[in-house]
Amino acid sequence: GDSVTQMEGPVTLSEEAFLTINCTYTATGYPSLFWYVQYPGEGLQLLLKATKADDKGSNKGFEATYRKETTSFHLEKGSVQVSDSAVYFCALRSGGSYIPTFGRGTSLIVHP
Amino acid sequence: DAGITQSPRHKVTETGTPVTLRCHQTENHRYMYWYRQDPGHGLRLIHYSYGVKDTDKGEVSDGYSVSRSKTEDFLLTLESATSSQTSVYFCAISEDGQGANEQYFGPGTRLTVT
Repeated sequence: GDSVTQMEGPVTLSEEAFLTINCTYTATGYPSLFWYVQYPGEGLQLLLKATKADDKGSNKGFEATYRKETTSFHLEKGSVQVSDSAVYFCALRSGGSYIPTFGRGTSLIVHP
Repeated sequence: DAGITQSPRHKVTETGTPVTLRCHQTENHRYMYWYRQDPGHGLRLIHYSYGVKDTDKGEVSDGYSVSRSKTEDFLLTLESATSSQTSVYFCAISEDGQGANEQYFGPGTRLTVT
């Protein structure tokens, strides 16, 4: 079946540092890939997505590229802010599947 | 923001009592989901619905039932609450079953079973 593996957290960075959160997946066919963000006390919200190989999703300074050859969708940001502190979830959804598959989530803590 | 509300937002209940959580959407989306979120387990799917009166089980459905009599409402019932059901519960919606469509999540309900 489908699966998503994210790096364990927490990831702790200083403000303005470069961020990478790794995400790899296994899936049948050609899934769509997503990053969701969950701020403290809130539900998840979509951060970005990519629907086919080599697509790059981007939003709020975050980027991720759909790499079919390495089955990866790593999240990056060039300069993090304290306000980026949250839990980040990588997810996939295979075509025609009602049910997305989520990674366990990676907590990011950004210090001033 | 997608129009999804959950009620109640917080609830404390005793072991053995029935509990119903409500998810209400104003987006007219066909698919609705109930998840629970626990430390160390991430998000786990309890039940989902692919239309009015059409529901199916997720990976952790034991002890839970659902109903969907209208497009906009999806109810999650704990028939007899147990301490292991203490969790944060999230409702999500999705426009259709296409893989490219993202989910939209509600704000969550924190349930404590004493």
